[in-house]
Amino acid sequence: GQNIDQPTEMTATEGAIVQINCTYQTSGFNGLFWYQQHAGEAPTFLSYNVLDGLEEKGRFSSFLSRSKGYSYLLLKELQMKDSASYLCAVSWGGGFKTIFGAGTRLFVKA
Amino acid sequence: DSGVTQTPKHLITATGQRVTLRCSPRSGDLSVYWYQQSLDQGLQFLIQYYNGEERAKGNILERFSAQQFPDLHSELNLSSLELGDSALYFCASSSGYSGANVLTFGAGSRLTVL
Repeated sequence: GQNIDQPTEMTATEGAIVQINCTYQTSGFNGLFWYQQHAGEAPTFLSYNVLDGLEEKGRFSSFLSRSKGYSYLLLKELQMKDSASYLCAVSWGGGFKTIFGAGTRLFVKA
Repeated sequence: DSGVTQTPKHLITATGQRVTLRCSPRSGDLSVYWYQQSLDQGLQFLIQYYNGEERAKGNILERFSAQQFPDLHSELNLSSLELGDSALYFCASSSGYSGANVLTFGAGSRLTVL
């Protein structure tokens, strides 16, 4: 079956760096995605990895190791507005099926 | 505005009733996904359509059904509603082509069953 695991909650300080991990087990892997979701709002796309390595986009970076079924999202220079849930998602089965992890709720404190 | 339109935004109904949620995908997107998100829970995949045809099915209850119409809008029908069906229902769309299948989400329909 398909399974995605990520920590339930994390707390970090404004200005710091935080790493949110994600492990997955799927068949026919086609890509890994990170989405941000503020409470009561729709998820929004942050990053996409299909090959091993690091993808950097401003304050956000995402890493993928396909052999280990592992990814992380790195957030730098944390801001209060980064307090949100971060959802790890995997696309599989020809690239059209997408399942989500339960999400990691990040609290940024002053 | 993400370009994905969901109606209604809020819906309050009673147990045993039936409701229909509507979704218009982003212009040019052929694929529509439906997800259910209960309070403090993750996104549970319900069903996916591509260009009018069902492509993938998740943990969708038999009381729920969906379809995608020729104009690509989609409807999710929920019947014999139970208290546990209260949730935020998201529709998302994507181009449906292989490669980076980025999902664009609508604002959601919040269903409350009393």
